[in-house]
Amino acid sequence: GNSVTQMEGPVTLSEEAFLTINCTYTATGYPSLFWYVQYPGEGLQLLLKATKADDKGSNKGFEATYRKETTSFHLEKGSVQVSDSAVYFCALRNTGGFKTIFGAGTRLFVKA
Amino acid sequence: DTEVTQTPKHLVMGMTNKKSLKCEQHMGHRAMYWYKQKAKKPPELMFVYSYEKLSINESVPSRFSPECPNSSLLNLHLHALQPEDSALYLCASSQETGGQGTDTQYFGPGTRLTVL
Repeated sequence: GNSVTQMEGPVTLSEEAFLTINCTYTATGYPSLFWYVQYPGEGLQLLLKATKADDKGSNKGFEATYRKETTSFHLEKGSVQVSDSAVYFCALRNTGGFKTIFGAGTRLFVKA
Repeated sequence: DTEVTQTPKHLVMGMTNKKSLKCEQHMGHRAMYWYKQKAKKPPELMFVYSYEKLSINESVPSRFSPECPNSSLLNLHLHALQPEDSALYLCASSQETGGQGTDTQYFGPGTRLTVL
């Protein structure tokens, strides 16, 4: 079946530090991969996506590359800000189901 | 515009009340979803409507009743809820004209429900 595994949090960083949040997946075929961000008290916002192998999604300084050979979609940002403090969910959607498989979420705290 | 709107933002109800949550999108999306999210957990799928027909019901108790009056609107009718139903209820939509279930989902801000 389909599954998504994210690194356990929370992750605590100082402002301007480099961020990596690991995400690996299990799926048949060619799923689409997503990162969503959830700020406190809010819904999920699409951060970036990739729909095929070697695609790089990017938005607001965040990047992730769809790596089929390692079944990974790690999220990176070169210099985090306090305003990036949130919960980040890795997710996949595969054909034939309308279902989104979410990772457990990784909480990020950025200190000034 | 990729906006999904939800009302109300907050709702407090007793176990004998009947209330409704509303969701609206004007992106021409043909699939709409209800999710339940408990604190510090990912969203859990409850229902999926595809082309205004109920496509998926994830064994949700009958005290939750979804309705899709038209392609832009999605309601969730609540009756005789339990305190453990307190959660953030999220609506989402996706285009899905190809029917593959892989298009990007866009989420609303959610309704924070408290059942007393």
